[in-house]
Amino acid sequence: DTAVSQTPKYLVTQMGNDKSIKCEQNLGHDTMYWYKQDSKKFLKIMFSYNNKELIINETVPNRFSPKSPDKAHLNLHINSLELGDSAVYFCASSQDREGLNYGYTFGSGTRLTVV
Amino acid sequence: GQSLEQPSEVTAVEGAIVQINCTYQTSGFYGLSWYQQHDGGAPTFLSYNGLDGLEETGRFSSFLSRSDSYGYLLLQELQMKDSASYFCAVRDLGTGRRALTFGSGTRLQVQP
Repeated sequence: DTAVSQTPKYLVTQMGNDKSIKCEQNLGHDTMYWYKQDSKKFLKIMFSYNNKELIINETVPNRFSPKSPDKAHLNLHINSLELGDSAVYFCASSQDREGLNYGYTFGSGTRLTVV
Repeated sequence: GQSLEQPSEVTAVEGAIVQINCTYQTSGFYGLSWYQQHDGGAPTFLSYNGLDGLEETGRFSSFLSRSDSYGYLLLQELQMKDSASYFCAVRDLGTGRRALTFGSGTRLQVQP
């Protein structure tokens, strides 16, 4: 029944490791996003895909690489993890590119802690 | 560029009415959205104002004045479960962005 599901929910890892976060939506939405929420709750867009096509690639380190194998999935791979990468990462989807009238549907988040 | 300003914290008592303001600066504008996020939870969509005026959804209403670059979220008959963070957000077409930019959030504490 879950609309946007992310795995894992919690991720604790050491500096320098490589990790992936998976996201899947069963809403039939065309557009998916990755947001990062820091300790002050500031939500910042990282990437956006529309029908598997990358449409937003914000200024994030190239250690972060999104992959969209199909329009229902958007994964996030992070290389060489750093302490500053610790945050909550949210996947979201929207019915269309605008995501205004019906809003975004967010996953439950992945709390990443780098030690 | 774009920026959104909202108060960092608001406190109110159960049963009261509270208004959370949001002012924005964007090079283009395509409406104001509001999201609610409980501690440890995901943001959830509350409302969208594309045009000036008041939109009402149950106990929550949202208002937009494009000429003033200002909007607010109004919560009536406050309940304890309304304690959460509330974010305003804009999609700035002027820079060609195709994702929402969120304000820094207003933490609402409802007291008994």
